Formats: sequence, C-alpha cells, structure tokens
Amino acid sequence: QKEVEQDPGPLSVPEGAIVSLNCTYSNSAFQYFMWYRQYSRKGPELLMYTYSSGNKEDGRFTAQVDKSSKYISLFIRDSQPSDSATYLCAMTTSGTYKYIFGTGTRLKVLA
Amino acid sequence: NAGVTQTPKFQVLKTGQSMTLQCAQDMNHNSMYWYRQDPGMGLRLIYYSASEGTTDKGEVPNGYNVSRLNKREFSLRLESAAPSQTSVYFCASSEVRTGKDYGYTFGSGTRLTVV
Repeated sequence: QKEVEQDPGPLSVPEGAIVSLNCTYSNSAFQYFMWYRQYSRKGPELLMYTYSSGNKEDGRFTAQVDKSSKYISLFIRDSQPSDSATYLCAMTTSGTYKYIFGTGTRLKVLA
Repeated sequence: NAGVTQTPKFQVLKTGQSMTLQCAQDMNHNSMYWYRQDPGMGLRLIYYSASEGTTDKGEVPNGYNVSRLNKREFSLRLESAAPSQTSVYFCASSEVRTGKDYGYTFGSGTRLTVV
C-alpha cells in the first residue's frame, strides 16, 4: 500500500463546476500538506499549503485537511478551462526534507 | 526572478553513456532535491541535499550520483545510462526551518530518453 493515494482521473467537468480533488494517506505523523498544480510539460507549482488540520482558502481554491480520517481535499470553485492540469498532493512530517507525493489527478475543465 | 533553472531541457542518450544534469537556484534556499517523474509512479525522490556540504539518498538512488557544488547548485550524474532511466527529471529547492516548512519550488524539468 502506498503512503499517499490519489485517484489518477482523468476528471472532466464543465466550466463553472465545483471540483473536488482528494488524497488519502496512511502515516498519522504527516503534518504539512500541500497541493501542487502541474501543467503539461511544466514543473509543479505550489498552489496551497496547510499545516495540521483545518481549512485554508485562497481565491477560488480551498484546501481541507481531516487528520482523523487521514484525508485531504482541494476544492476549486467556478472552475475555468485554465484550471485544466494535473493536481498533485504532497505531505511530510515536521522538520524533514522529504515530501511524499501522490501520483496526481488529471483535471480537464470543458468550455 | 529565475527561481530554479535546469539544463538541459531535453536529452537523448545511448545506453552506457554518461551525462550530468545541472540545477541552480537563486532563492538562497538551504535544501535541494532531485526527483524523477514517471507515468503512474508520481514523483520519486532520487537524492536530496539538506544543506551545503551534505547529500543523502532518497527513494530511488541506484544508478545516480549527486554533487552539491555550493549553496546554489546541485547536479545529478548518470554514470552509465540505462533505458530504465528514461524519465522526466525535476530539481527542486526549499527552505526548511524547525517548526516551519515552505514547500518546494520546482524547475521546469529535463526530459531524458535513453535508447
């Protein structure tokens, strides 16, 4: 079993839809959770960063962490075609240097 | 603001050839990393350098060596390339402090094909 599981998709939604992307994990020591967006043939870019549990909002994006269920989510409101990309979750324990990445979910927003 | 710069962007090697992938960051980050990304496997850590003068193995170090030349530069060397090393390679950097973490900044990647 992988430490971090992520549905690979692809996920196709119409423009304006609310998108929910999820990851589950097995290591209860994970404390730092991140979401990266990766456009085709580009490097991943940091989208959202959350420490421990709770929600964090940034514009159309909301990151949610449920440590009791070992489950994290990224919500995208009013999705746009420009949101079409692969979304990677990543997580690590405190003070380490190595993030564990999910395999990524490919999202396509249809105009 | 260049961030993390990787060279080359593309490379084709024959089996058994050697090459060095170069990475430089201008953000004064302490830590640097090399990942490879393969379909269905996600990003896997090859080597990392927590600070200048230190390097450590990651998840998939076999067949690779690294050098942390100075605080800015971290190179990855393939001594004898194999077809299994065909992949997209990403360099990343980060600033890790006790109790805080700021995530990675990635380069744009090197697409390597070994034939």
